[in-house]
Amino acid sequence: NAGVTQTPKFQVLKTGQSMTLQCAQDMNHNSMYWYRQDPGMGLRLIYYSASEGTTDKGEVPNGYNVSRLNKREFSLRLESAAPSQTSVYFCASSTSSGSYYEQYFGPGTRLTVT
Amino acid sequence: EDQVTQSPEALRLQEGESSSLNCSYTVSGLRGLFWYRQDPGKGPEFLFTLYSAGEEKEKERLKATLTKKESFLHITAPKPEDSATYLCAVQAPGNQFYFGTGTSLTVIP
Repeated sequence: NAGVTQTPKFQVLKTGQSMTLQCAQDMNHNSMYWYRQDPGMGLRLIYYSASEGTTDKGEVPNGYNVSRLNKREFSLRLESAAPSQTSVYFCASSTSSGSYYEQYFGPGTRLTVT
Repeated sequence: EDQVTQSPEALRLQEGESSSLNCSYTVSGLRGLFWYRQDPGKGPEFLFTLYSAGEEKEKERLKATLTKKESFLHITAPKPEDSATYLCAVQAPGNQFYFGTGTSLTVIP
């Protein structure tokens, strides 16, 4: 099992450019998440998908869109990148049975917007 | 406002010197509290889930405990390979998760 995979690992964008971050999981999890991690801020939830066909906003959704393509894949799109979106982005997945959901994270995408 | 605060920000220990990391939280309707380990340049790695006050979980040299307002991660006789950043997170209703900023642990041989 690969767990959670993310592509690309690194990306440099110019202000105003667009890009899509890809995430896939092979653990048959229902729920998937996108976070950003910034120094001194901790991980912050951007969007999540509780199940295939549903998406919801997290703490910091502005400037991002997501697509739950199928049960395995959850993508994050930056339509017009801004320097404030320079960050490390992590995708995670979890089961959604029971009361609490242990999350499993991918290796991250380091994004720089100039 | 839902919030998670971890202390200390950084901790340096001699090999074998036991200590504790703290995670205090304010969240309405706690669904679960989680501990993760994060190595530089990598994603967080799941360690423990705690749900109810009084609960304890153990894994090798690590033991996590939970009260109504905080959680502790106790590290017994740490080794250099325990050096990492330890993250605490809480799950609120509606599938929302809030993370602390972490404690950076360095264990010196």
